[in-house]
Amino acid sequence: EAQVTQNPRYLITVTGKKLTVTCSQNMNHEYMSWYRQDPGLGLRQIYYSMNVEVTDKGDVPEGYKVSRKEKRNFPLILESPSPNQTSLYFCASSLWGGVPQETQYFGPGTRLLVL
Amino acid sequence: AQKVTQAQTEISVVEKEDVTLDCVYETRDTTYYLFWYKQPPSGELVFLIRRNSFDEQNEISGRYSWNFQKSTSSFNFTITASQVVDSAVYFCALSEGGDNTDKLIFGTGTRLQVFP
Repeated sequence: EAQVTQNPRYLITVTGKKLTVTCSQNMNHEYMSWYRQDPGLGLRQIYYSMNVEVTDKGDVPEGYKVSRKEKRNFPLILESPSPNQTSLYFCASSLWGGVPQETQYFGPGTRLLVL
Repeated sequence: AQKVTQAQTEISVVEKEDVTLDCVYETRDTTYYLFWYKQPPSGELVFLIRRNSFDEQNEISGRYSWNFQKSTSSFNFTITASQVVDSAVYFCALSEGGDNTDKLIFGTGTRLQVFP
């Protein structure tokens, strides 16, 4: 089944404790992206990747890191989480980057609470 | 600047009523794409439709229909004979060409509650 998977689905952590949220897709998509969803703000892009070893900042990159060592994986790293990073996180992928008509398919979401 | 506005924060209807979710967008591009996604209570985002800026034909898919009007920069979504399973948050999103091809710009979402 074609899908985007994220792990963990739920995470409670404390301020300053490094964490990684994994994202994997099995559709051989070139483009992957991370969004966060906050009440009243919709979804905002954190980072995106056009292909392996190519990543770039989105609208709200502060406090996050990403890597793209393999085509299928795009982990989101919070080196020192803070309470304002409490949010619902979505990973997405599409066949190509730089092509506005490509539909992005989303993972199930990761709900993060930082105490 | 690019922007998507969903002015309706929450809508409540009774089953079998028709309901329209509004979406107004701003863009300077002549080529752009509009999307609707559904987020049910389980939380995932489900793709519903994609429409390009050159195709103003309305689209119907079962009980769902979309009305795209460039003159008013709107891409409204209507559910006919709503059902309880339609209860969800619905997001409208915009994708542009040029320097902004690499992200979807989302509205803030409309929460639809359908009561039995």
